[in-house]
Amino acid sequence: TQLLEQSPQFLSIQEGENLTVYCNSSSVFSSLQWYRQEPGEGPVLLVTVVTGGEVKKLKRLTFQFGDARKDSSLHITAAQPGDTGLYLCAGPAGSWGKLQFGAGTQVVVTP
Amino acid sequence: DTAVSQTPKYLVTQMGNDKSIKCEQNLGHDTMYWYKQDSKKFLKIMFSYNNKELIINETVPNRFSPKSPDKAHLNLHINSLELGDSAVYFCASSLAGGPNTGELFFGEGSRLTVL
Repeated sequence: TQLLEQSPQFLSIQEGENLTVYCNSSSVFSSLQWYRQEPGEGPVLLVTVVTGGEVKKLKRLTFQFGDARKDSSLHITAAQPGDTGLYLCAGPAGSWGKLQFGAGTQVVVTP
Repeated sequence: DTAVSQTPKYLVTQMGNDKSIKCEQNLGHDTMYWYKQDSKKFLKIMFSYNNKELIINETVPNRFSPKSPDKAHLNLHINSLELGDSAVYFCASSLAGGPNTGELFFGEGSRLTVL
């Protein structure tokens, strides 16, 4: 089983601060996806990283895929209350079409 | 237009009852899924269908029976509900499946509470 471990489980910060959340595995993944889930909604894809060492930016969000493709990080610069949500990483888990999710990091940004 | 819609959004029922959740996607996707999100927010795949055919069945009890009448619909029927079935059930779809599954599009979820 390819486990995806996310840390920290919970992060509470003030508006304007920076934060980083992590997604780690002992297995190599061909790609990793990051989703954000807001209360009462389904997860929504933010980004897919495919190449080892890849860095992708989405406005104030920076995603990095580890060189060995076993880990990924999400860095948010100058967090805003709208960044509040559950951040989930996910990767293909071997079986046809199966996407495995990490347990998520709950981020709360207060004004 | 909602891409992936599931009904009902909330279900409260007694142990032992049978209930169904319906899902429809208007994205023209080939693959649909059911995921279960527990109280700790962990999302776990239950089933996957590709063009109406069952592809993934993740050791889910037989009380759970998915049905795909066509590739735009995937319903979930649950017999003899138990307390542990209380969770949020998410329907999702993707353009393709297999190793290049790509982005999953999720519905809003159906919160099932078993009393």
